[in-house]
Amino acid sequence: GAVVSQHPSWVICKSGTSVKIECRSLDFQATTMFWYRQFPKQSLMLMATSNEGSKATYEQGVEKDKFLINHASLTLSTLTVTSAHPEDSSFYICSAIPSSGSGRGETQYFGPGTRLLVL
Amino acid sequence: GDSVTQMEGPVTLSEEAFLTINCTYTATGYPSLFWYVQYPGEGLQLLLKATKADDKGSNKGFEATYRKETTSFHLEKGSVQVSDSAVYFCALTSGGYNKLIFGAGTRLAVHP
Repeated sequence: GAVVSQHPSWVICKSGTSVKIECRSLDFQATTMFWYRQFPKQSLMLMATSNEGSKATYEQGVEKDKFLINHASLTLSTLTVTSAHPEDSSFYICSAIPSSGSGRGETQYFGPGTRLLVL
Repeated sequence: GDSVTQMEGPVTLSEEAFLTINCTYTATGYPSLFWYVQYPGEGLQLLLKATKADDKGSNKGFEATYRKETTSFHLEKGSVQVSDSAVYFCALTSGGYNKLIFGAGTRLAVHP
C-alpha cells in the first residue's frame, strides 16, 4: 500500500515551453502533498506544500508564478513549470501523506520522480 | 533554522561488514527523525523512523536510536548485503507541519 506515482517519468522540452508533472496517490487519499527538487548528487529541497482545495504554500526563494501547483483532488497534485529554461532542468519528486486509514500521520510516501531536461 | 548533517560518502564496504552512517540534527522543538533510502532508479522509501527521544527505529536489519543529548540519529546495520547499495537520507520533520528537512544523502556501495 501507500503507492505514489508520477507522470511522466522523464521529459525533454524546449526552452520557453511549459511542462506539467502529475503526482497521484494510487491507493490512498492525501490532503497534503509536497513537491521537491533534487539536483545531481544533492539532497531534496522542498519547493512547496500542496493542499487539496486551497493554494499551495511555497518555500522561500521558490517562484510561485513559475512553478504552478494545483491540488484539485485528494489523489492528484500537478506541478507546472512555466516558460521552462535550462536552469529548471532537475529531478522533481512529489510525496503524499495519507489523510485517513492506518497510514494517516506524518509519514510521507514518495513518488519515483520526474526528470526534466530543458534544452 | 532546522538542519540535518550527514557524513559524506561514498561509503564502500564489503558484504557482511558493519555499517554506520552518522546523522546529527539541529532543531527547535521535538522533531521526528527519519531515514529514507533511494535505490538506483527508484523513489525514496521510508526505512525507519523515531518520534521521541530514546526511541529506536528498526527495519530490514537497520537500526537508529533517537539521541536527544547528542542530537544524533545514526544508522547502523550489523551485516550489509550487496542489495543494500543505495543512497541513504536522514531527515527530520520541522515546525510541526510535516515538512521534511533532508540531509545531503550518503551513498553506500557494498561489494561482494
